Amino acid sequence: RKEVEQDPGPFNVPEGATVAFNCTYSNSASQSFFWYRQDCRKEPKLLMSVYSSGNEDGRFTAQLNRASQYISLLIRDSKLSDSATYLCVVNRGNTPLVFGKGTRLSVIA
Amino acid sequence: SQTIHQWPATLVQPVGSPLSLECTVEGTSNPNLYWYRQAAGRGLQLLFYSVGIGQISSEVPQNLSASRPQDRQFILSSKKLLLSDSGFYLCAWSPGHNEQFFGPGTRLTVL
Repeated sequence: RKEVEQDPGPFNVPEGATVAFNCTYSNSASQSFFWYRQDCRKEPKLLMSVYSSGNEDGRFTAQLNRASQYISLLIRDSKLSDSATYLCVVNRGNTPLVFGKGTRLSVIA
Repeated sequence: SQTIHQWPATLVQPVGSPLSLECTVEGTSNPNLYWYRQAAGRGLQLLFYSVGIGQISSEVPQNLSASRPQDRQFILSSKKLLLSDSGFYLCAWSPGHNEQFFGPGTRLTVL
């Protein structure tokens, strides 16, 4: 089983739609979690950290379920500019981050 | 604030030629440094990381090597490039093994 698994997509959604991505991780000792965004032919950029209580940043909401070992990202009122690949990232502690392969989102006008 | 630089932005090299990619970080001290490769349409592959000057951990055996001659400088090298070395090379830094911040990357094509 891969350490971090994501549905590769693509998710094709109309502008204004709500879309959710899930990610599962296999190491129960994982300590912190992040979502990154990567635009085509660009470097990944930190979108948001994921806290146990869940957290929201504008149209983006991240949730963590430690019991089921998954994290989610919800995007409300999708914009064309949200089109990108979203990477789920897990911190196991005293080792480098583990990146998922990403979920591709395409928002259509 | 912290910034990370990589150069060159693009590079076209013949098979068998040497490679040297440089990454430097400003605005922080004793960062963890990382080299990743991303093949077209694929995920990130961690190549090397360093927690201090002269300390290099290799994640994948291959014909690449890394060095950290100064606190905020990380270099990726090869003596002889292979076709399979083509890809998008990304350098990143982090304060400990926590959230990472990436440089703009170098797109390498080996012909």
